[in-house]
Amino acid sequence: KAGVTQTPRYLIKTRGQQVTLSCSPISGHRSVSWYQQTPGQGLQFLFEYFSETQRNKGNFPGRFSGRQFSNSRSEMNVSTLELGDSALYLCASSLDIGLAGNNEQFFGPGTRLTVL
Amino acid sequence: AQTVTQSQPEMSVQEAETVTLSCTYDTSESDYYLFWYKQPPSRQMILVIRQEAYKQQNATENRFSVNFQKAAKSFSLKISDSQLGDAAMYFCAYKPGANSKLTFGKGITLSVRP
Repeated sequence: KAGVTQTPRYLIKTRGQQVTLSCSPISGHRSVSWYQQTPGQGLQFLFEYFSETQRNKGNFPGRFSGRQFSNSRSEMNVSTLELGDSALYLCASSLDIGLAGNNEQFFGPGTRLTVL
Repeated sequence: AQTVTQSQPEMSVQEAETVTLSCTYDTSESDYYLFWYKQPPSRQMILVIRQEAYKQQNATENRFSVNFQKAAKSFSLKISDSQLGDAAMYFCAYKPGANSKLTFGKGITLSVRP
């Protein structure tokens, strides 16, 4: 079974631009979560989607948004990029057998975003 | 809010020796899960071991085991017979029972000396 895939793997943008990152979960997985990883702040939760609905949101400004499609693929968008948005963006998928329970999250390889 | 603390930024271990990585957490929830993830230089996050809070028994996965002290809110990872491939960043993570949000510690960089 193919793992979580993320595209693109690397991206360079300039301040003020916007960017869209894509995540394809493992086949059959319906929950997709996004995390931002930076050297200073570590790993921080952005948001989680399940059945095309945002179920959980982290403490990030409104410039960060996401969506999920009917095939469970997810995209996240960052508008008006700032230098501080440079980070590794990780996507994770899980089966989601319900809100409770031990849903193991499988991570993708990440998208490295550099904002100049 | 839940917090996860990994106070040691770096550790080093001799190949074939045993090393313990520390983690403490804070939560008021009774239903939660704890994880250790490994992130090698490739940046691919790999689940090492998981622990359900309601289970008394410490989880074990081959050379990896945990010491889960629920009352002390401590969750340490022991790596036995360390191998060169164990060199990576290790993250302790907390997940409440009610949703999928993972809260990570800052991570610890483990190096393995040949």
